[in-house]
Amino acid sequence: NAGVTQTPKFQVLKTGQSMTLQCAQDMNHEYMSWYRQDPGMGLRLIHYSVGAGITDQGEVPNGYNVSRSTTEDFPLRLLSAAPSQTSVYFCASTKAESYGYTFGSGTRLTVV
Amino acid sequence: GQQVMQIPQYQHVQEGEDFTTYCNSSTTLSNIQWYKQRPGGHPVFLIQLVKSGEVKKQKRLTFQFGEAKKNSSLHITATQTTDVGTYFCVTNAGKSTFGDGTTLTVKP
Repeated sequence: NAGVTQTPKFQVLKTGQSMTLQCAQDMNHEYMSWYRQDPGMGLRLIHYSVGAGITDQGEVPNGYNVSRSTTEDFPLRLLSAAPSQTSVYFCASTKAESYGYTFGSGTRLTVV
Repeated sequence: GQQVMQIPQYQHVQEGEDFTTYCNSSTTLSNIQWYKQRPGGHPVFLIQLVKSGEVKKQKRLTFQFGEAKKNSSLHITATQTTDVGTYFCVTNAGKSTFGDGTTLTVKP
């Protein structure tokens, strides 16, 4: 099992560009979430999904879109990158609410 | 989503000293999970507590859930340099924002 795989690990974008952060898990987990973590701060929830075809907004959804067409994949799309979106992005998954989340190793995004 | 407040935000200890971080909520929690994030790393799940008054141990780590299910604590006995990192408590993980956690530094 690879666990939760995030790609790319590093990315530099110009303001206004769009891109998709990839997240894939091979554990057949129903629940998946996206977080962003700014330096020295906690993790803020962007979007989450409780199963294929179901997504919902977290605390900071503006500027981000998600979709969950398969159980395995949960991509995060930045529509028009802004410097305020410079952050480390983590994807996480779990098989059920009563279990702990497994996190990916993160994507470090810089918007210039 | 429901959030819990965690204190202290930072804790510096000498190696061998004990360490405790506390999580508090104004409402009753259905569960609480604890995670550890090493510097430059990703959060790693440590444990989940669900029962009133529950106490769980993992080697030098002791986790408690309050009787009223409104607070929780993580206690580390005789800290080691490997304990360095940020400890987060969160309820309804995956649907909730993590707070700022408690960042532990250990002086050898």
